[in-house]
Amino acid sequence: DLVLTQSPLSLPVALGQPASISCRSSQSLVHDDGNTYLNWFRQRPGQSPRRLIYKVSDRDSGVPDRFSGSGSGTVFTLKISRVETEDVGVYYCVQGTHWPYSFGQGTILDIK
Amino acid sequence: VHLAESGGGLVQPGRSLRLSCLASGSTLDDYAMHWVRQAPGKGLEWVSGIYWSGLKTGYSDSVRGRFTISRDNRENSLYLQMNSLRPEDTALYYCVKDLKPGGADVWGQGTLVIVSS
Repeated sequence: DLVLTQSPLSLPVALGQPASISCRSSQSLVHDDGNTYLNWFRQRPGQSPRRLIYKVSDRDSGVPDRFSGSGSGTVFTLKISRVETEDVGVYYCVQGTHWPYSFGQGTILDIK
Repeated sequence: VHLAESGGGLVQPGRSLRLSCLASGSTLDDYAMHWVRQAPGKGLEWVSGIYWSGLKTGYSDSVRGRFTISRDNRENSLYLQMNSLRPEDTALYYCVKDLKPGGADVWGQGTLVIVSS
């Protein structure tokens, strides 16, 4: 099966500073239809995961523009331009190109 | 769209359980629906998925042959029949809806399954 590898797994960040999470896939995430179904989710304690970014770089409704996604093929990045308190949680990359869907291990972002 | 899971609980190893997921709100056709689980303190694991037509299904290696996914589009419902349960199946089970391909757009709150004697 396809494997997604996130790094780092722990990310302490000072308020107002940028943050970056990498996600590498063991195979290309380009679908036969030409789209790349790589999504980013955040899960806060006690809550369900919430999608932030879909198809590599499209922000979901209500997601602040300080969140951005980039990448192609097998290497992807989630960036937060200025971390705020509400950004604390576990971030997962999720691929929906191939069945079974795959999840990264998760990156714990907290405030330094 | 709102997803509400039910059917979780405490069950002995080797026994069965059936999970349900009811979709409400704007229940237009979707692309596929899935079950994803999260063991206590662990990450997310895809368990099973089914296309809107019901004609294609998929299972993780860890549940194949023991779990069966199904759906009833007239009832806006998704199901997971879990047989021969093992302690390692203990997890919060989420129902997930793809509004479009590969999206995993909508998640329920989850239903907790505990497999223990």
